[in-house]
Amino acid sequence: DTGVSQDPRHKITKRGQNVTFRCDPISEHNRLYWYRQTLGQGPEFLTYFQNEAQLEKSRLLSDRFSAERPKGSFSTLEIQRTEQGDSAMYLCASSLTQGVHNEQFFGPGTRLTVL
Amino acid sequence: AQTVTQSQPEMSVQEAETVTLSCTYDTSESDYYLFWYKQPPSRQMILVIRQEAYKQQNATENRFSVNFQKAAKSFSLKISDSQLGDAAMYFCAYRDGGSQGNLIFGKGTKLSVKP
Repeated sequence: DTGVSQDPRHKITKRGQNVTFRCDPISEHNRLYWYRQTLGQGPEFLTYFQNEAQLEKSRLLSDRFSAERPKGSFSTLEIQRTEQGDSAMYLCASSLTQGVHNEQFFGPGTRLTVL
Repeated sequence: AQTVTQSQPEMSVQEAETVTLSCTYDTSESDYYLFWYKQPPSRQMILVIRQEAYKQQNATENRFSVNFQKAAKSFSLKISDSQLGDAAMYFCAYRDGGSQGNLIFGKGTKLSVKP
C-alpha cells in the first residue's frame, strides 16, 4: 500500500449530471476525510468517517452531496445534479484514530469541471 | 469558529537563502494542533511539520522550523537553505485537540525559489 488513491483524477461533466468519486485510504487507517479545494483557496472540510460511520458533515455538504464508506474501507462521494459552482478539486485524506500523531495523509485529488 | 489566516499570497526566495511564511489563527480552545502542509504543483499535499499547542518548544524538521507564539496566535514557518524542490503552495492548518479531527486551512502561500 503506497498511500491514499483517488479515482478518477479528472472528471469533466455537464451541468445537471451526476458524478461519483472514489477514495481508497491507507489500509489500516480507520478515519477518512473529504475536502474540497477551489482555485486560490485552501482545502475546506466536507465530511469524515470513522470506520463506516459518517460522524461529521460540514454545512458545505448540501443535500446534493452524499458520501458513503461501506465496510469501513473505500469511500465514495456522489454529487447529484452538478452545478458550475461544484467545479473544484476534491481531496480525500485518511488517518489513524485521533491521537497526537494521527497525521492525515492526502490523496492526489479528483479535479471536477462542470461545463 | 476557528480561523486560519495566511497574509502572504506569494513569496519568493533565492536558492540557499532563508524564507519565513506567516500564519495567524484564532481559537478559544486551549488544546489544539498546528500544521504546515506543502502542495507541489499537480502533486498531493504532504505534511511538513506539526506543533502541539501544549508544547512550548518550537518544532523542527531538518531545514524546516516553526516560530510558535501561542499568546499572539502566530505560527510561522522558516525554511532554511531553500532548494528548488521547496517551490510549492504552503498551507497552514489548525486542528482541535478534541475528537473531531478535521483540519482548517488557510488560503495558502505560493513559494517560488529562484536559482
